[in-house]
Amino acid sequence: NAGVMQNPRHLVRRRGQEARLRCSPMKGHSHVYWYRQLPEEGLKFMVYLQKENIIDESGMPKERFSAEFPKEGPSILRIQQVVRGDSAAYFCASSPGQGLHGYTFGSGTRLTVV
Amino acid sequence: GQQLNQSPQSMFIQEGEDVSMNCTSSSIFNTWLWYKQDPGEGPVLLIALYKAGELTSNGRLTAQFGITRKDSFLNISASIPSDVGIYFCAGQLADGGSQGNLIFGKGTKLSVKP
Repeated sequence: NAGVMQNPRHLVRRRGQEARLRCSPMKGHSHVYWYRQLPEEGLKFMVYLQKENIIDESGMPKERFSAEFPKEGPSILRIQQVVRGDSAAYFCASSPGQGLHGYTFGSGTRLTVV
Repeated sequence: GQQLNQSPQSMFIQEGEDVSMNCTSSSIFNTWLWYKQDPGEGPVLLIALYKAGELTSNGRLTAQFGITRKDSFLNISASIPSDVGIYFCAGQLADGGSQGNLIFGKGTKLSVKP
């Protein structure tokens, strides 16, 4: 029974490149959440998606960041024209429905911008 | 943005000692969660609290949802070496934000006394 799968685990990008982070939710989960964690900090909410819908993007930076959760396939967090300040761990969580029941985190993608 | 004040920031434990940490906020929460995060991994849920005044145990861990709904504490009794790690409180605001949008504290880092 696979948990929330994130890939890649580590990603290195040069400034100006694009970063694509993938999240496959747990089986039976149709709600996905993305968080960002800077060193020595707690996680900060970015976006909440259901299949083909963005429910809450109140934590997403206004530029360069986008997220999708298509009908088929994983959820994607896309960062265009990365800058050094984008270096962080990005975590995805999934849940079977609204609310916190069954809310489970993945192991994260560590993005380093050089 | 909303903040959770988590303390202490770090502490050293000796095997067998009891450990206590807490989170406070100026905002009211309808859910409190306590997570543990090991290096290179995502947060793992330890205890979830859904009602003001609720006291819940999970093995050697005990957590309480403060009666004012603005605070929570976590106690670990008779600590063992594998308790080392970073502990986060997280909460869901009672007013505002979508379900599943969690606010995290900055963490309490537990290390072994040299």
